[in-house]
Amino acid sequence: GAGVSQSPRYKVAKRGQDVALRCDPISGHVSLFWYQQALGQGPEFLTYFQNEAQLDKSGLPSDRFFAERPEGSVSTLKIQRTQQEDSAVYLCASRQRSEQYFGPGTRLTVT
Amino acid sequence: AQKITQTQPGMFVQEKEAVTLDCTYDTSDPSYGLFWYKQPSSGEMIFLIYQGSYDQQNATEGRYSLNFQKARKSANLVISASQLGDSAMYFCAMREEANTGNQFYFGTGTSLTVIP
Repeated sequence: GAGVSQSPRYKVAKRGQDVALRCDPISGHVSLFWYQQALGQGPEFLTYFQNEAQLDKSGLPSDRFFAERPEGSVSTLKIQRTQQEDSAVYLCASRQRSEQYFGPGTRLTVT
Repeated sequence: AQKITQTQPGMFVQEKEAVTLDCTYDTSDPSYGLFWYKQPSSGEMIFLIYQGSYDQQNATEGRYSLNFQKARKSANLVISASQLGDSAMYFCAMREEANTGNQFYFGTGTSLTVIP
């Protein structure tokens, strides 16, 4: 079946703008994760959903970051009042058993 | 303390040769999983191999094998018969069973270049 998809693939935002990043997990996967990957670094955990419940949001760097998954499938990561330090690739992953399957990521550039 | 350490920022290997990418980890959880992912320039994270902390044998998947040394807390990836398409970033990751969120902790990655 189809893998994890993310949209948009690329997003350029002016500082102060709000952005919304979408993730479509693999159908039937209960667990969904968001990661932030800065240039030259490994992905860092942002938040985790089990179905529609956000069970862990300890990795969200500030209250400008908000994630939701209202129907337990598609998830949206929203960043309000974007700052330059928010520039990164945002990866979504869904989990089946032990493995996490990652989407292609959204590259956010804040100018 | 870093949970995953990858000390090789960049590695080069001749085509058809084998290469070992180093990974050490830090956890007090007796139950954990170790993973290796490949990230080509396109950006997608591709799952390569998994090793559970209780697995007695080293994991193997085709040309990939994981050299798991539990006492040393190391989980090195061995790629045999390197191909030009193996050129990419490689990330080691760990998941702790005691962690409710089951999030992955990633290292900083190793950039592998295969030389023809």
